[in-house]
Amino acid sequence: DQQVKQNSPSLSVQEGRISILNCDYTNSMFDYFLWYKKYPAEGPTFLISISSIKDKNEDGRFTVFLNKSAKHLSLHIVPSQPGDSAVYFCAASVAGTASKLTFGTGTRLQVTL
Amino acid sequence: DGGITQSPKYLFRKEGQNVTLSCEQNLNHDAMYWYRQDPGQGLRLIYYSQIVNDFQKGDIAEGYSVSREKKESFPLTVTSAQKNPTAFYLCASSNRPGGTEAFFGQGTRLTVV
Repeated sequence: DQQVKQNSPSLSVQEGRISILNCDYTNSMFDYFLWYKKYPAEGPTFLISISSIKDKNEDGRFTVFLNKSAKHLSLHIVPSQPGDSAVYFCAASVAGTASKLTFGTGTRLQVTL
Repeated sequence: DGGITQSPKYLFRKEGQNVTLSCEQNLNHDAMYWYRQDPGQGLRLIYYSQIVNDFQKGDIAEGYSVSREKKESFPLTVTSAQKNPTAFYLCASSNRPGGTEAFFGQGTRLTVV
């Protein structure tokens, strides 16, 4: 049972445009959400997170939006740059449970020139 | 520099052999985790440890074993009982149980030949 879903396996965006990566979850106990970026043959690196008490968190070019009623979150990258090309994983956790992260299957973002 | 070190980066194993993957961290983190990544799938939790001398099974623990004798170290043994061991293995740590961001190592690619 996939509790965190990223339904788009890939996304292609032109440089300078907005990239929107989506993530849905089914477990209503999740209250902390994270986005990780991963290059091939490397470990994921933390990008941005959001607690369920917020609906938006911004860090530079990256903004995460959370819609709790829809159990949906999205990552916006503006403007997109070629170096953003990577696989992006959405992850969720329940606070106080040893930080066990449940990951989505990832979305491969390709930023083209 | 603080971080998580996984070794080796590439590992080949003959069928029927056990193999141990190393994970060391100097971040003074209490919690450590092992994940497995397969093509087209998200990261799946194998085992996690909240404190020294304690560890719990994750979602796919069968065929794996771990130990946590020191805070800095969390080795993973892939046993011959693991039916499909070829994968990319990632170790992570976080600063407290129930903590937020997990920091990942660079990963070990295990191939069974």
